[in-house]
Amino acid sequence: NAGVMQNPRHLVRRRGQEARLRCSPMKGHSHVYWYRQLPEEGLKFMVYLQKENIIDESGMPKERFSAEFPKEGPSILRIQQVVRGDSAAYFCASSPRRDITEETQYFGPGTRLLVL
Amino acid sequence: QKEVEQDPGPLSVPEGAIVSLNCTYSNSAFQYFMWYRQYSRKGPELLMYTYSSGNKEDGRFTAQVDKSSKYISLFIRDSQPSDSATYLCAMSPIDTGTASKLTFGTGTRLQVTL
Repeated sequence: NAGVMQNPRHLVRRRGQEARLRCSPMKGHSHVYWYRQLPEEGLKFMVYLQKENIIDESGMPKERFSAEFPKEGPSILRIQQVVRGDSAAYFCASSPRRDITEETQYFGPGTRLLVL
Repeated sequence: QKEVEQDPGPLSVPEGAIVSLNCTYSNSAFQYFMWYRQYSRKGPELLMYTYSSGNKEDGRFTAQVDKSSKYISLFIRDSQPSDSATYLCAMSPIDTGTASKLTFGTGTRLQVTL
């Protein structure tokens, strides 16, 4: 049973370019969460999505960042016009979340974004 | 003040020691508590989760929650060099009967020496 998959694992962008990060949840999981981890800091929640719906985007920066989880295909975190401060590790987590006993979030290996 | 406080360490212990890792929190709405282990440049790996106050044991790991003190702990018995990693506490409220976004501590770096 494959775990959460993220690609690319490493991404280098120059300032002003776009970054697209992909996440495929575990089989049977329809809930996806994105977190960002800055150097020497804990993980910070960004956005929570179900298929075709954004449930909670309270952690997303208001500009340049967007996320989607289409009916088919992976979830995408998109960062437009990247700046050096966007350099971080971006983690995706998924859960089945069918009831209170299945809340657990399982994390992918992360995408490390470096903005030059 | 951060919602979740965790000593960043590093914490260095000899092999075989009992390790105690702790977090405090300020948000009384937190009802769901987890511990993750993260090796360098890897994703967090779930170790344990619990909803209730008290102890929960799984092999060498014991999670303890004291909601009245807003304090959670993870104990590792018979620590091994392979336990060397960063340990993250995480917690969330339970909305409409299900959990939501996780709030993490900054992580404690543990080094188990031979």
